[in-house]
Amino acid sequence: DTAVSQTPKYLVTQMGNDKSIKCEQNLGHDTMYWYKQDSKKFLKIMFSYNNKELIINETVPNRFSPKSPDKAHLNLHINSLELGDSAVYFCASSHGLAGGPAAFFGPGTRLTVL
Amino acid sequence: QKEVEQNSGPLSVPEGAIASLNCTYSDRVSQSFFWYRQYSGKSPELIMSIYSNGDKEDGRFTAQLNKASQYVSLLIRDSQPSDSATYLCAVNISGSARQLTFGSGTQLTVLP
Repeated sequence: DTAVSQTPKYLVTQMGNDKSIKCEQNLGHDTMYWYKQDSKKFLKIMFSYNNKELIINETVPNRFSPKSPDKAHLNLHINSLELGDSAVYFCASSHGLAGGPAAFFGPGTRLTVL
Repeated sequence: QKEVEQNSGPLSVPEGAIASLNCTYSDRVSQSFFWYRQYSGKSPELIMSIYSNGDKEDGRFTAQLNKASQYVSLLIRDSQPSDSATYLCAVNISGSARQLTFGSGTQLTVLP
C-alpha cells in the first residue's frame, strides 16, 4: 500500500528519557514534515525536510532533533522528555506543487510522558 | 491575531441538512487553501483544495474562497452521520514554502 507510515503508534515513557519516532513514505514525495497535535487538537508544524535538507524549523526546543537519512524517511528523536511533550506526533509528506503543498499524514504516534 | 481562525464549535446539524464550516486567514497574499477531515483518534485526511476565488465542488462537498474577504468555507450537502468529525482549515501562508498553517478545527456532529 502506498502510504505514510510511522512507528510506534503508542509511546509511553518516563520524564527524562530519550525516545525516537520513525517515519517512512512510499509516495515518491520530496518533502516530509513533523507536526505536533496537542490535546486541543491544534496541529502545528515542527520541521520540514525537502530532499533530506531541513527547510523549516519552527520554534521547537532543541531537545527535538529530526534526521532524514533519505528522502523517503524522516525520524524524530526527542531527548530529556518532559510532561509537556505529551501529544500526538504526525509525520506527513507532500510534493511541492506550484499552488502549494497538500500534506498526506501518517497515522500518528501518541506520546505520553509520565 | 491568529493566522488561521475557525469557529471551534461544536456544530450540530440534522442528517440531510447542509453543514457550513468557516475559516478566516490573516495573510492577504495566501494562495492555497485546504480542508482536512479528522475522525477521532485518526490522522487528518485531505478532502478539498482550492486556489482561486469562487466555488469548487466535489461530490457533496463545496469549497468557497473569497480572497478579498480572506475567507474560505466548506459546505457539506446532505450531511450524513459519517461526516461527524473535526474539520481543519489549512492555508499555505505566503513566504513559507511548502508550509501549511492550520486552524484549530471545527467539530461537526451530524445527528441521525
